Order: sequence, then C-alpha cells, then structure tokens
Amino acid sequence: EPEVTQTPSHQVTQMGQEVILRCVPISNHLYFYWYRQILGQKVEFLVSFYNNEISEKSEIFDDQFSVERPDGSNFTLKIRSTKLEDSAMYFCASSDNRPYEQYFGPGTRLTVT
Amino acid sequence: AQKVTQAQTEISVVEKEDVTLDCVYETRDTTYYLFWYKQPPSGELVFLIRRNSFDEQNEISGRYSWNFQKSTSSFNFTITASQVVDSAVYFCALSESNTGTASKLTFGTGTRLQVTL
Repeated sequence: EPEVTQTPSHQVTQMGQEVILRCVPISNHLYFYWYRQILGQKVEFLVSFYNNEISEKSEIFDDQFSVERPDGSNFTLKIRSTKLEDSAMYFCASSDNRPYEQYFGPGTRLTVT
Repeated sequence: AQKVTQAQTEISVVEKEDVTLDCVYETRDTTYYLFWYKQPPSGELVFLIRRNSFDEQNEISGRYSWNFQKSTSSFNFTITASQVVDSAVYFCALSESNTGTASKLTFGTGTRLQVTL
C-alpha cells in the first residue's frame, strides 16, 4: 500500500540554524499538508498546499516557515532560523481529490538546542 | 471556526474493562468529517475511522465502536474488553471539507488511555 514517507525521523539542530524537513507524499496525490505536535500537546495544522501554492496557513506559520514542492515528488518544510519552541514532531500528510482523506507520514521529531 | 473538545485528559482502566472516549465538536458547516486517530508511544498517527456528517449510523469494527450523535455534536469512541496494546493517546479530529478544496484537520487535545493488567 502506498504511504507517505518523511526524512529524517529525528533531527537535532542548534537555535538559529535553518532546517529542512522532507516529505514524499503518495504519488498521485494533489493536496499536501504540514502539522506540528509539541510534545504532550495536540496536533496543530500549519499549512496546506495545492496546485503549487499555499491554500491556507495557520497563525503558527509565520515568515520563518516556508514550503516547497521542488521536483514534483518531494514536499518540504523549511524553518529559516529555528527557535527552542520549534521543537516538536512535524507530520506531513497528503490526499487525492478527496482532501478530507489525508494520509499521514510517520513524522519528523525536531529538537532545537 | 471549528473546534474539537476531548474533556478526558487521561483514563486508566484494567484490562478487559470497556472504556468510552468522549469527543464533542463545533462547526458551522453542514458538510464535515469526523475522525479518530491513535497515537502509540512510538509517535505515529494511526487512522482509525472517518465519518461524514450525513452518516449517523454507528460503526463497529472488532472491539472498537463509534457513536455519532449530531443532536449533541458528539462522536464517542468505545473500546470493548480493553487490552494493554490499546494504551495510547487517542485524538478526535474534524475537517470542514468539500471536494476540490484543501482542508485542514482540527484535532482535539487527546485522551491518554492507560490499560493495565
């Protein structure tokens, strides 16, 4: 069964560094999402992406964040200058033309020190 | 704005007990979807069920059952004869969605279920 993959599974970075989280959505999917989960808290929506542009973004998704689909298969989340509070699990999700049917990747745990 | 409330932060039961996890939602849309996800200690999100707003039939899948009541805006989840492997955090989620537009999931705060021997 096709699945969403994310790399790396765990990333440790120093405060102020740029980090790129990578996702490979399911190949025929059209809608792409990033969610964040701070340890012990709920999963929060960050951004949705469709037709090579952002469809919606949350208040969390400020100018430090950006998303890109550089090559038609990868979907990336970049954090320009990481802060301690960016430490969280980041989940990528994708869906076909039924955007309510989202498939989640296993997550990338980001630790900012 | 959509909102999901899971009032139970943590529940502890002894194996073989039945347990119900509550979920109450708010939305202004008439078309929406409700979900339950399981998050084991390993951290991934495991999809359990999706329900659309037009289908109020209760669903049973093995030891799991779901009760959707539009009148009370609730979508409760019952595990019958709980097992230690059911120990996890369970999230209820809502999507206000129409086909053709991207749609975010709004999650509740989760209920941590601890099943002991």
